[in-house]
Amino acid sequence: DIVMTQSPDFLAVSLGERATINCKSSQTVLDSSTKKNSLAWYQQRAGQPPTLLIYWASTRESGVPDRFSGSGSGTDFTLTISSLQAEDVAVYYCQQFYSSPQTFGQGTRLEIK
Amino acid sequence: QMQMVQSGPEVKKPGTSVKVSCKASGFTFSSSAVQWVRQARGQRLEWIGGIVIGSGKTDYAQKFQERVSITRDMSTNTAHLNLSSLRSDDTAVYYCASGYFYSHTWGQGTLVTVSS
Repeated sequence: DIVMTQSPDFLAVSLGERATINCKSSQTVLDSSTKKNSLAWYQQRAGQPPTLLIYWASTRESGVPDRFSGSGSGTDFTLTISSLQAEDVAVYYCQQFYSSPQTFGQGTRLEIK
Repeated sequence: QMQMVQSGPEVKKPGTSVKVSCKASGFTFSSSAVQWVRQARGQRLEWIGGIVIGSGKTDYAQKFQERVSITRDMSTNTAHLNLSSLRSDDTAVYYCASGYFYSHTWGQGTLVTVSS
């Protein structure tokens, strides 16, 4: 199974500042034929199901604010929130869907400093 | 509006089985796939398995292979998760989610508690 490891586990950022969350996979999730990275990011607010933010590593889901962006390739990926808003307090997960079983990172808890 | 509505909470004894249902609306169910993911308190999301609705083809995580069954009923736009031989460490919130790979729409979650 591909192991997904996120860093940091906990992050506190001031309102309006940038938040950066990293995700590393134990093996590549880049499909050499399609040149797509099979990596998604989810936001989970307290007591709620996850919601999809980003897929194919950098494609923003419809309706997701453009302050959220995804980057990276191969085994190293980043979720960036350019200007933190109060409603962004949540746990963020990366997920690989390159191979079965799909697997998730352990989560990064983001709070306001 | 795409929506997945799950059945209510369950309390089960060890060794028994549970069935969780997930009714889809707002999209073409027969052209979709449904994944099942669980989350124990304070833990990461864990994929259990999925089903391609049109073909009925399933894929399960090896960890659950011997005691899980995912089915669908296209007449009612509903997917079902059956998990047998329950143990205390199966206590978790179980989610259904639409999508072949990444999941666009998630159900509200069903708490399954396994306790003697």
